Amino acid sequence: QVQLVESGGGVVQPGKSLRLSCAASGFTFSSCGMHWVRQAPGQGLEWVASIWQDGNNKYYADSVKGRFTISRDNSKNTLYLQMNSLRADDTAIYYCASEPTLGSKYFDYWGQGTLVTVSS
Amino acid sequence: QSVLTQPPSASGTPGQRVTISCSGSSSNIGSETVNWYQHIPGTAPKLLIYTNDQRPSGVPDRFSASKSGTSASLAISGLQSEDEADYYCAAWDGRLDGYVFGTGTKVTVL
Repeated sequence: QVQLVESGGGVVQPGKSLRLSCAASGFTFSSCGMHWVRQAPGQGLEWVASIWQDGNNKYYADSVKGRFTISRDNSKNTLYLQMNSLRADDTAIYYCASEPTLGSKYFDYWGQGTLVTVSS
Repeated sequence: QSVLTQPPSASGTPGQRVTISCSGSSSNIGSETVNWYQHIPGTAPKLLIYTNDQRPSGVPDRFSASKSGTSASLAISGLQSEDEADYYCAAWDGRLDGYVFGTGTKVTVL
């Protein structure tokens, strides 16, 4: 069955960096667009970033543009989110999600999430 | 901030029908397909409806959705206690070049 397992979350000081990973299994990872979505405490879901199957096309929310980088390693079935210059308002549960086919524009499977806390 | 607007809450007794609205604009709902997600805090969000009105396998037919112009709606008929969750509409926004979620609606089963 499809599994998406996030890791790499934790407590980090403002201005520091963190890299999240999302290990995928149970489907052809290299054929799917992948995404990061977050939920801050008491808030709704917020899309963070997307990457196409081949990794050449990437999209970012304005709130993270220039600070976060999405990438993938199709040989390892793993999605990444490099987060730099972290701020308190980046505190959230970060979910990875898969998109079934190019242009589907919806997320069919989600991971359980990993918590990132930015605090001094 | 979210560009798709939903009512913050909705409620009903078991067996009732509840409807959730989602209001957007020409750059998102007006020109793109709408999807709906169910989220129980502490768990992974779940795809409920895709491409405006399609249910993934395993989603009960109590859940239905529609889209008209720059608005969409989700209906839950025969409300059950396990439907208590947060519901989000979502769509791609061509002007923002990104995916946008609604503000979310918390459904309570009385």
